Amino acid sequence: AQSVTQPDIHITVSEGASLELRCNYSYGATPYLFWYVQSPGQGLQLLLKYFSGDTLVQGIKGFEAEFKRSQSSFNLRKPSVHWSDAAEYFCAVGANQGGKLIFGQGTELSVKP
Amino acid sequence: NAGVTQTPKFQVLKTGQSMTLQCAQDMNHNSMYWYRQDPGMGLRLIYYSASEGTTDKGEVPNGYNVSRLNKREFSLRLESAAPSQTSVYFCASSEVWQHNEQFFGPGTRLTVL
Repeated sequence: AQSVTQPDIHITVSEGASLELRCNYSYGATPYLFWYVQSPGQGLQLLLKYFSGDTLVQGIKGFEAEFKRSQSSFNLRKPSVHWSDAAEYFCAVGANQGGKLIFGQGTELSVKP
Repeated sequence: NAGVTQTPKFQVLKTGQSMTLQCAQDMNHNSMYWYRQDPGMGLRLIYYSASEGTTDKGEVPNGYNVSRLNKREFSLRLESAAPSQTSVYFCASSEVWQHNEQFFGPGTRLTVL
């Protein structure tokens, strides 16, 4: 069965510091992978996605993620965090035949001034 | 384009009451989804509609019913609300079933007393 694990429930980083949020998935075939961000009281916004091809994908707001098949990981990175990045981040996996997404539990990011 | 809209934004019910959550999208998408979000559990799929005229159960369908009213609208009904259904409910849509990229509404925060 498909599953997604985000090992870190809560992370705090200083503004200007680099960020890496971890995501591990379990899926038998090549997955479709997504990162979404949710600001307080808001819906989810797509940051980036991986379907195939280049394993380093660029997204909005300066985020990037790298697909590593050997580690079943799809970690999200940003070189310099801004206070406005404080939010909850969700990793999700989808089947390549389409449809349903399986979400991780989420990682809450706090940014210190 | 408004994207995905949901009504109401907030609702308080008493145990045993019924209500319908409304969702509409103006992106001409074929597939629509209902999720619930609970702390520490990410998003869990309740029901989905791969295309107009079809609906299927997701991971946590018990206590809910859905109606795909037309291509734009997908409603979620709680026939007899229970405190365990206190949650934030999100509607989402995707262009076609084969495309996992989903667009989310702002959510409905439901409290059942």
